[in-house]
Amino acid sequence: AQSVTQLGSHVSVSEGALVLLRCNYSSSVPPYLFWYVQYPNQGLQLLLKYTSAATLVKGINGFEAEFKKSETSFHLTKPSAHMSDAAEYFCAVIRGSGSARQLTFGSGTQLTVLP
Amino acid sequence: NAGVTQTPKFQVLKTGQSMTLQCAQDMNHNSMYWYRQDPGMGLRLIYYSASEGTTDKGEVPNGYNVSRLNKREFSLRLESAAPSQTSVYFCASSGGARGGEQYFGPGTRLTVT
Repeated sequence: AQSVTQLGSHVSVSEGALVLLRCNYSSSVPPYLFWYVQYPNQGLQLLLKYTSAATLVKGINGFEAEFKKSETSFHLTKPSAHMSDAAEYFCAVIRGSGSARQLTFGSGTQLTVLP
Repeated sequence: NAGVTQTPKFQVLKTGQSMTLQCAQDMNHNSMYWYRQDPGMGLRLIYYSASEGTTDKGEVPNGYNVSRLNKREFSLRLESAAPSQTSVYFCASSGGARGGEQYFGPGTRLTVT
């Protein structure tokens, strides 16, 4: 069954530093993978998605993620953190097929950006 | 174009009371979903509806019922609320596009005392 594991429930970086949020997936078939961001007291917003078209995926707000099949990973990165990046980030994978496709989420990583 | 809307935003219930959470989307999506979010557990799927007229159980359906009223609306009902149902509830919809990304509402924060 498809699932994702996020390593590190809390990550702190200094403003301007590299952001690296880790996600590993478990899937018996080529997966569709997503990163969502949740700002305080808001719903989830799609950051980027991998659908097998390209291994390096660029998203909104300067984030990108690289799909590495050999490592079963889909880590999220941003070269330079901004205070506005402070939020909770969720990795997710599609399971099922057709109209019954469902998202399975990781447990989330809270990103704190220090001034 | 409001996307996915949810009402109410906040609700406090006493144990045993009932209530219905409302969700509507204006993106003409076929699929709709209800999730609950609890600290450290990510989002867990309660129920989903792949198309108008169909509903299916997700990971944590016990204590909930749903109704897909029409293509736009998908409601979640708690018949007899319990403190374990204190959570933030999110509705989402998906158009079934390749990749299956979902679009989320702002959430309903429910407290059961």
